[in-house]
Amino acid sequence: DAMVIQNPRYQVTQFGKPVTLSCSQTLNHNVMYWYQQKSSQAPKLLFHYYDKDFNNEADTPDNFQSRRPNTSFCFLDIRSPGLGDAAMYLCATSLPGTDNYGYTFGSGTRLTVV
Amino acid sequence: AQKITQTQPGMFVQEKEAVTLDCTYDTSDPSYGLFWYKQPSSGEMIFLIYQGSYDQQNATEGRYSLNFQKARKSANLVISASQLGDSAMYFCAIAARKLIWGLGTSLAVNP
Repeated sequence: DAMVIQNPRYQVTQFGKPVTLSCSQTLNHNVMYWYQQKSSQAPKLLFHYYDKDFNNEADTPDNFQSRRPNTSFCFLDIRSPGLGDAAMYLCATSLPGTDNYGYTFGSGTRLTVV
Repeated sequence: AQKITQTQPGMFVQEKEAVTLDCTYDTSDPSYGLFWYKQPSSGEMIFLIYQGSYDQQNATEGRYSLNFQKARKSANLVISASQLGDSAMYFCAIAARKLIWGLGTSLAVNP
């Protein structure tokens, strides 16, 4: 089945130690998103790629970076995680122009910072 | 700019009864889409139902239906015959270039 896969499902990292979260898709969607979701809050868009074009949200901290080496993969790098970065990170894809935009979410990576 | 308002932070419903979760929206775009997602405690975001702004009929997906009132800018989710597994957080979202989310409604289904 075509899908969006996030690895790992759970990630524990040390305060200040760089961490990378990964997302892959078999849908061939041209847009990929990274969301941060803290407990009891709505998802917050960090950035998205439209094909190779990177679009950063204005309030995304510089501590968060992203890479999209090809259509299928997208990575979220947190350069120096702080305790406040503990959250669920959701990857999503979409295909603009389709009937319902084709939004598809991965299962998420729950990040703990110790 | 788009905005989604969900005014019910928490809702309770008895098993097998119907429940309506409220969602109002604001947008200046003539073409948009409205979504409802379910998020259980495990964290994954599960797509429930979609309504396009030009769709003439209300969307239905199994036990889920969307009461779309365009003039009132509302897109309420109706869950019929609630089940214990429906206990979760429910988010309404609007899409133009990107998804804009409401704050969510926490639904608890009581046996």
